[in-house]
Amino acid sequence: QVTLRESGPALVKATQTLTLTCSFSGFSLHTNGMCVSWVRQPPGKALEWLTLINWDDEKFYTTSLKTRLSISKDTSKNQVVLTMTNMAPVDTATYYCARIRGPNDAFDVWGPGTMVTVSS
Amino acid sequence: DIQMTQSPSTLSASVGDRVTITCRASQNIYNWLAWYQQKPGKAPKLLIYKASNLESGVPSRFSGSGSGTEFTLTISSLQPDDFTTYYCQQYYIYSWTFGQGTKVEIK
Repeated sequence: QVTLRESGPALVKATQTLTLTCSFSGFSLHTNGMCVSWVRQPPGKALEWLTLINWDDEKFYTTSLKTRLSISKDTSKNQVVLTMTNMAPVDTATYYCARIRGPNDAFDVWGPGTMVTVSS
Repeated sequence: DIQMTQSPSTLSASVGDRVTITCRASQNIYNWLAWYQQKPGKAPKLLIYKASNLESGVPSRFSGSGSGTEFTLTISSLQPDDFTTYYCQQYYIYSWTFGQGTKVEIK
């Protein structure tokens, strides 16, 4: 059974750096084609794709946030880490990680999400 | 960046109705499109991938069609559990974008 779960601080202050961890089981990022992505959703708003890392350690970032985002993986621990610098109140959102089961595929399994509030 | 535009933003319907949601891409994405259902406070759930492929375990009343720049999600007979929000997503050439969502509400 494939599961993912996000963890990290629920509250950060403006200008701080956010670090979130996605811990997963039931698949390996060693497997050809596997990817893990991060998506966020501000309260009452739409989903926004942030970043993705694949089995080959290739990394992709949304253009608007590229300078603030970093993604990395620890394959031995089955974890993917998202870092976002210079947080602001507009970054308040639920942050989800999700699995992509093959190259050019949809996000088939999602974590439950973690709510992050940025205080000014 | 590829932009995705969903319509309508809100749809009012009754149990048993056939409903259609449209998603338009700003450029040709071939059939690299997915549909998700999201209930309040929950993570999105994959319904359709590659424009028309039903994800395992998803009821057959859901169907997807289209290619290029125009796509549709159809629910053939709305059930009480279906009144929630739906998102399209394109995933063409290492680029991923969601639509702004369509809320299906009870008429």
